[in-house]
Amino acid sequence: LAKTTQPISMDSYEGQEVNITCSHNNIATNDYITWYQQFPSQGPRFIIQGYKTKVTNEVASLFIPADRKSSTLSLPRVSLSDTAVYYCLVGPPKRSSNTGKLIFGQGTTLQVKP
Amino acid sequence: DSGVTQTPKHLITATGQRVTLRCSPRSGDLSVYWYQQSLDQGLQFLIHYYNGEERAKGNILERFSAQQFPDLHSELNLSSLELGDSALYFCASSWTGGDTEAFFGQGTRLTVV
Repeated sequence: LAKTTQPISMDSYEGQEVNITCSHNNIATNDYITWYQQFPSQGPRFIIQGYKTKVTNEVASLFIPADRKSSTLSLPRVSLSDTAVYYCLVGPPKRSSNTGKLIFGQGTTLQVKP
Repeated sequence: DSGVTQTPKHLITATGQRVTLRCSPRSGDLSVYWYQQSLDQGLQFLIHYYNGEERAKGNILERFSAQQFPDLHSELNLSSLELGDSALYFCASSWTGGDTEAFFGQGTRLTVV
């Protein structure tokens, strides 16, 4: 998997939009960008994956510029329950037949305050 | 519910002992990954199995071993336990061997006393 860099921590307040950026300068042509969310003492949960431009689901939006060297996870109107660690991964897409390690970096600890 | 089942949820044991953690992947998933997460630490990748075969190793100690059985469940064996082995151990499963969409279990919290 390509190396990723994201902020160690971020603070926000309830009701605000939060944008977490991930840098992945060495992304390969076939790589996808995937984000996970981990609450304390729980396993990470897949939240969104994309290849280019914009992807949106019921949880978040993922913005990927044309050069794909970075991506931004956007959480609209966060609540206290969005306090978690968010991990950015870059690698093969869903249902890829490649083999490899699924490596998580340090992630970004998002603290949402009332 | 991710569909990945880990047992037991909690385990307390003494130093020097051996324990076995079990993981049942989601139905249809062929890959199982194991991770260790110590207090306030990141997820450390330990090992990956695909359809019964070891495919990748991370920073797994020699005292630790794993296997994936024909029914695709996996076990992580931890022996000669030390206090520093106290951690949350997660397994994850995915359909194939290398994609980045995986589903995690709720973890086994191991406490070594």
